[in-house]
Amino acid sequence: GEDVEQSLFLSVREGDSSVINCTYTDSSSTYLYWYKQEPGAGLQLLTYIFSNMDMKQDQRLTVLLNKKDKHLSLRIADTQTGDSAIYFCAEGSGGSYIPTFGRGTSLIVHP
Amino acid sequence: EAGVAQSPRYKIIEKRQSVAFWCNPISGHATLYWYQQILGQGPKLLIQFQNNGVVDDSQLPKDRFSAERLKGVDSTLKIQPAKLEDSAVYLCASSLWESGTSGNTIYFGEGSWLTVV
Repeated sequence: GEDVEQSLFLSVREGDSSVINCTYTDSSSTYLYWYKQEPGAGLQLLTYIFSNMDMKQDQRLTVLLNKKDKHLSLRIADTQTGDSAIYFCAEGSGGSYIPTFGRGTSLIVHP
Repeated sequence: EAGVAQSPRYKIIEKRQSVAFWCNPISGHATLYWYQQILGQGPKLLIQFQNNGVVDDSQLPKDRFSAERLKGVDSTLKIQPAKLEDSAVYLCASSLWESGTSGNTIYFGEGSWLTVV
């Protein structure tokens, strides 16, 4: 199976919170990343969390890590239409922490 | 600070033709990566350079793909001959990371979109 798994689609109403979930298999993962990709653009690093943390907050973004269950989530508060994009979960391990990506979750924000 | 630059942005070629993509990383970044992103999938690492040496090219299809970073700055990725399944976005990325350091923040370019017909 895939090393990093995510659901493919999420649809929310503008102003609501969005929660994007991810599971990974590598127990030695050191860094867990969230990237955002807008149409026709490259990947933008949104945030990352070190494996010895269980939560990280950055403005409207909250990352939760359950290392026991190998589950990572990204919560976007007060979701706006500009948040519509594909969100990639990635895990990094080994000497260079190179991210291994999931297939991405398409977030659709409607008025 | 200038980001990772890639060219061309778009390329359409016929199968069995060749194509080359160019990447200029962020100034001072020792490590450069090429990723392949097929539509509907996440990016997959093809090759990683540190300065002008190859760190990892285990996922590079070496029968048709080649990459170089001769002076430790710019890099080119070549495909020859191209196949239909090579249609994808080729993303270049760079980071400050060097062996022995912890953490790795990778910055991506906008990608080169390849269509093989």
